Amino acid sequence: EPEVTQTPSHQVTQMGQEVILRCVPISNHLYFYWYRQILGQKVEFLVSFYNNEISEKSEIFDDQFSVERPDGSNFTLKIRSTKLEDSAMYFCASSEHTPSNQPQHFGDGTRLSIL
Amino acid sequence: KQEVTQIPAALSVPEGENLVLNCSFTDSAIYNLQWFRQDPGKGLTSLLLIQSSQREQTSGRLNASLDKSSGRSTLYIAASQPGDSATYLCAVTGGGNKLTFGTGTQLKVEL
Repeated sequence: EPEVTQTPSHQVTQMGQEVILRCVPISNHLYFYWYRQILGQKVEFLVSFYNNEISEKSEIFDDQFSVERPDGSNFTLKIRSTKLEDSAMYFCASSEHTPSNQPQHFGDGTRLSIL
Repeated sequence: KQEVTQIPAALSVPEGENLVLNCSFTDSAIYNLQWFRQDPGKGLTSLLLIQSSQREQTSGRLNASLDKSSGRSTLYIAASQPGDSATYLCAVTGGGNKLTFGTGTQLKVEL
């Protein structure tokens, strides 16, 4: 069964450094998302992306964050200058069509640790 | 602002028991509700999606119901097995594309 793949599985970065998290969504999917889960807390929405542009973002997704679909298969999340509070599990998800009637499928996540 | 709550937060049952997990949401203007399973240190596995116009969905031993007007959903697991041990999350899609997640129910099925 097709799946969303994320790399790396674990990323350790010094505070203030830039980090790029990578995702390969399911190939025929059109909508892409990033979520994060701080340890012990709820999964939180960050951003959704459709037709090569951001369609929605949360208040968490400030100027330090950016997303990109650099080619036909990858979807990336960049954090420009990491903070300690960015430590979390970051999940990429994709859906085939408009999310109002299609499930979102999640990857296994990237655990980001900021030192 | 949509808030999603799940009770109980944790549940321990003996193998073979039928069980019900509860999810409630504050804003009934949703497009759909999705139930996920999360194993420790892993991603989210989609179990069931119920459209706002539907009352229930079934997949194997799982049955999810939705009462949109009262802001409630239940996930029924029949004949529980140790392999069902995981955290179960519900999430709703309202206006826009995002999923709003609940707090999760940590289930342990004991031999």
